[in-house]
Amino acid sequence: GAGVSQSPSNKVTEKGKDVELRCDPISGHTALYWYRQSLGQGLEFLIYFQGNSAPDKSGLPSDRFSAERTGGSVSTLTIQRTQQEDSAVYLCASSSQSSSNQPQHFGDGTRLSIL
Amino acid sequence: AQSVTQLGSHVSVSEGALVLLRCNYSSSVPPYLFWYVQYPNQGLQLLLKYTTGATLVKGINGFEAEFKKSETSFHLTKPSAHMSDAAEYFCAVSDQAGGGNKLTFGTGTQLKVEL
Repeated sequence: GAGVSQSPSNKVTEKGKDVELRCDPISGHTALYWYRQSLGQGLEFLIYFQGNSAPDKSGLPSDRFSAERTGGSVSTLTIQRTQQEDSAVYLCASSSQSSSNQPQHFGDGTRLSIL
Repeated sequence: AQSVTQLGSHVSVSEGALVLLRCNYSSSVPPYLFWYVQYPNQGLQLLLKYTTGATLVKGINGFEAEFKKSETSFHLTKPSAHMSDAAEYFCAVSDQAGGGNKLTFGTGTQLKVEL
């Protein structure tokens, strides 16, 4: 079956521009997560959505980062006024429910490069 | 708060030799533990997980891990390495206390398999 789909796979943009990253989770998965993978920081949690509940934004590094999830399915991560330190691979994952013992299924990520 | 320590950022083994990747965790509650593998330019793929029950967990591709509470460890092993096992491996612990399923990852171990 179809896995988690992320687009674009690569994005190069100039410092100061806004970017939008898209995640399409596995059909029927109610929980959706965004992580960031960078050389200096490893894998970091960013934000988590579960159904219609308010998202857990505790991992967002600054107010330039925001995310939304429309209709309980597709999610968009937006970074405003990008900085060079935002360069990283942004990974999206989904799971069938938010229970801690449920494995997360990851997409292939979006590689973001800020010039 | 949870944390994960992976000893050895790079491990090199000969094809056919034992693979041992080390993971120690810190958690204030009984942990849920995961091992993921990442191939170049791909997302993370679940190898195995420990939630409750049997402490020796078997996963895909011949990997297994043993949960040892007394040692706060969850080391990953495979009896005989194959060239296709070359990848980066991440140990993760689930944040049960905060609700949801936020994963805290170790810094990863790059496995190299030599002829």
